[in-house]
Amino acid sequence: EAGVAQSPRYKIIEKRQSVAFWCNPISGHATLYWYQQILGQGPKLLIQFQNNGVVDDSQLPKDRFSAERLKGVDSTLKIQPAKLEDSAVYLCASSLVTREQFFGPGTRLTVL
Amino acid sequence: SQQGEEDPQALSIQEGENATMNCSYKTSINNLQWYRQNSGRGLVHLILIRSNEREKHSGRLRVTLDTSKKSSSLLITASRAADTASYFCATEGNTPLVFGKGTRLSVIA
Repeated sequence: EAGVAQSPRYKIIEKRQSVAFWCNPISGHATLYWYQQILGQGPKLLIQFQNNGVVDDSQLPKDRFSAERLKGVDSTLKIQPAKLEDSAVYLCASSLVTREQFFGPGTRLTVL
Repeated sequence: SQQGEEDPQALSIQEGENATMNCSYKTSINNLQWYRQNSGRGLVHLILIRSNEREKHSGRLRVTLDTSKKSSSLLITASRAADTASYFCATEGNTPLVFGKGTRLSVIA
């Protein structure tokens, strides 16, 4: 079974630039999550999708972050404009109803 | 907040020894999960324990949950060098999964 795919794996940008991350969840997983993990901390949920709909985005900085899930499958997370404090690993995960989440390898973002 | 706090922050043991990590949280939960993260395999789900369960086993892992004390422990028996990783507890209640800051485990061969 293929796991959660993410791209790119690494991205370096200047502050105030924009960036987008892509995630393809495990086939058949209705729930998709985006997390931000700052070095030395645990992952923090940014947004949770159930099929096409947003379940929770209470911790998403909506003035600069946006996310969408096309046709209930792939998802894109965008940051515009980026700030220095956005430097982190962005993790995508998916799950069925069993609550166990399967994580992708993450995208390491460095904002200079 | 619901966020779990792992204790200790870092732990170093010899191969073959047991490792115990603890997690405390503050609000009521539906379940508590443990995850492992290392550079090779990323973040991997280890075990889920529901609020009405007290103990679960999976291979060399044993998890306990005490909802009256709002705490959980993860025991890894007969540790191996490959167990070197960060271990996170994550709680799920009225909000989606909330991760703690993790325990960094080093197993020395």
